[in-house]
Amino acid sequence: DAKTTQPPSMDCAEGRAANLPCNHSTISGNEYVYWYRQIHSQGPQYIIHGLKNNETNEMASLIITEDRKSSTLILPHATLRDTAVYYCIVRGDNAGNMLTFGGGTRLMVKP
Amino acid sequence: NAGVTQTPKFRVLKTGQSMTLLCAQDMNHEYMYWYRQDPGMGLRLIHYSVGEGTTAKGEVPDGYNVSRLKKQNFLLGLESAAPSQTSVYFCASRLLGLATDTQYFGPGTRLTVL
Repeated sequence: DAKTTQPPSMDCAEGRAANLPCNHSTISGNEYVYWYRQIHSQGPQYIIHGLKNNETNEMASLIITEDRKSSTLILPHATLRDTAVYYCIVRGDNAGNMLTFGGGTRLMVKP
Repeated sequence: NAGVTQTPKFRVLKTGQSMTLLCAQDMNHEYMYWYRQDPGMGLRLIHYSVGEGTTAKGEVPDGYNVSRLKKQNFLLGLESAAPSQTSVYFCASRLLGLATDTQYFGPGTRLTVL
């Protein structure tokens, strides 16, 4: 699976959009981009995933560049409850379909 | 529908003691996973199972054993606990082996080995 690079931490003002970048320059054609988050040592929570097209759900939007080498997770109106560690994971159809977690980005939403 | 549950939530062991962590899911998922998370780190896969009666090693399997005797349960065993196994343990499950299926995680078990 492709390795990902994320900034270790980011701040965002409450009510503003949080844009979390992820670099995955070695991604291959059949690998998906997944985003999970972990709130204060709870179990990770799925947010969104995509292959090549931009995706949106009730939690967030995922923007994937045309060359698929990077992506951005957008939380449109961040709240204090969105403070968490956000993990960008690139995963293909490997045996067991495992997720490989890196260090993630610690997002701090401030009032 | 409880999702993924883990037992116990907390445990303190002495070096050399053994214990079993239980993961249960009620979503009829085929795949189950055990991860560990050390302070300030991401999750690392210990073992996983692609179905009842089958298990496989993950990234950090040494010192652990697992069993999947029933589809809904995945047990993680520590035969002789060591301080290096102090960690938070997360279980997860997913429906099938499709790339679009997501993993659902339990709340974690916090283990301290003295």
